[in-house]
Amino acid sequence: DPKIIQKPKYLVAVTGSEKILICEQYLGHNAMYWYRQSAKKPLEFMFSYSYQKLMDNQTASSRFQPQSSKKNHLDLQITALKPDDSATYFCASSQIDWAPSAETLYFGSGTRLTVL
Amino acid sequence: GDSVTQTEGLVTLTKGLPVMLNCTYQTTYSPFLFWYVQHLNEAPKLLLKSSTDNKRTEHQGFYATLHKSSSSFHLQKSSVQLSDSALYFCALKEGGRALIFGTGTTVSVSP
Repeated sequence: DPKIIQKPKYLVAVTGSEKILICEQYLGHNAMYWYRQSAKKPLEFMFSYSYQKLMDNQTASSRFQPQSSKKNHLDLQITALKPDDSATYFCASSQIDWAPSAETLYFGSGTRLTVL
Repeated sequence: GDSVTQTEGLVTLTKGLPVMLNCTYQTTYSPFLFWYVQHLNEAPKLLLKSSTDNKRTEHQGFYATLHKSSSSFHLQKSSVQLSDSALYFCALKEGGRALIFGTGTTVSVSP
């Protein structure tokens, strides 16, 4: 059974619309992340959350808003969609430890977003 | 700023040959380096991670050594298999921040 569930697997949207990407993790981790992968920028870090609080934000655009309703949930709301937003969005989680070398990032299977 | 550089975009080779994928990094913190592998239409997953300076780490036939003197963590395998065809990412963790990934190297192994 997948331990990090991302929904939907595929998503097609029109320019200017709004979509929410869902992510739930059942690994008991205390940190969750969003990464984006496209042909232009492979595996680009976007956000990190721990205990429902934003830790780091590397996304310049305010059109991308993470939402955490529970400790093991981290959804990604994207507004005013553009064709350049087309990418695969990966949710990931890890257990933040006193030893950074011990941390392993686990990825979900991704949501492939296409904006027309 | 902190960064990871992978110089090869694509490496093509024949089954049974050795491979080395380059990874260099830049950071002001004590570095922790990782290699992730992503097979086609799958999620990235951890391949191996660095240990102490100049100590080799191995997993599934792949190995790498962190060399702080040259800021490198190159990935090697002595004999590649068809199943090693994938996208390989070097990643850097510095301080309490999230992993930063390099641009990736696609390895294509032919029979």
